[in-house]
Amino acid sequence: SAVISQKPSRDICQRGTSLTIQCQVDSQVTMMFWYRQQPGQSLTLIATANQGSEATYESGFVIDKFPISRPNLTFSTLTVSNMSPEDSSIYLCSVSRGPQETQYFGPGTRLLVL
Amino acid sequence: QQQVKQSPQSLIVQKGGISIINCAYENTAFDYFPWYQQFPGKGPALLIAIRPDVSEKKEGRFTISFNKSAKQFSLHIMDSQPGDSATYFCAASWGNYGQNFVFGPGTRLSVLP
Repeated sequence: SAVISQKPSRDICQRGTSLTIQCQVDSQVTMMFWYRQQPGQSLTLIATANQGSEATYESGFVIDKFPISRPNLTFSTLTVSNMSPEDSSIYLCSVSRGPQETQYFGPGTRLLVL
Repeated sequence: QQQVKQSPQSLIVQKGGISIINCAYENTAFDYFPWYQQFPGKGPALLIAIRPDVSEKKEGRFTISFNKSAKQFSLHIMDSQPGDSATYFCAASWGNYGQNFVFGPGTRLSVLP
């Protein structure tokens, strides 16, 4: 498995501002992912965070709105930019260590945009 | 088809009973089928997983049954306990590096004491 921490655990933000969420893993991992989970809903992949290169975004998600960094094999950030109430959600970081490995999830960041 | 269908949406079981959650998929390229358990306010946690070369996998009270020809798999929770009350997500994926996960919509399980 993997020990994953996320900061902040929750936040309340004003419309139009930006929030950066951090994801830290206890050891090096091959793949890091960012998901969004609306209340009572399933998980939707936002992007794959690639170490040393630009993130790979899923349909419906763009870099200008959700810029992602991955400076090394244990850390990644997701920024939610120019927030609106529709961005209120749980944002989850997940990791995979390598071939034939599953995904392990962090505790999530609960975001409320007013 | 990248969808994974999951049923029921919610499930209420008496303590000691058997909880059964079913999932179905279309994409025959899927080769890994995990189940995640999520408690309120927590991230999803891997519960049990199976690959299509076996038809059943058991870990404690949790069993996955896999039917490759029907493209279906299910989670059985034996002797269900109130502590099992959570949301369960099935998923399916392909590829070697943990990517390409597709999640089902989830089942909210309530186990009554």
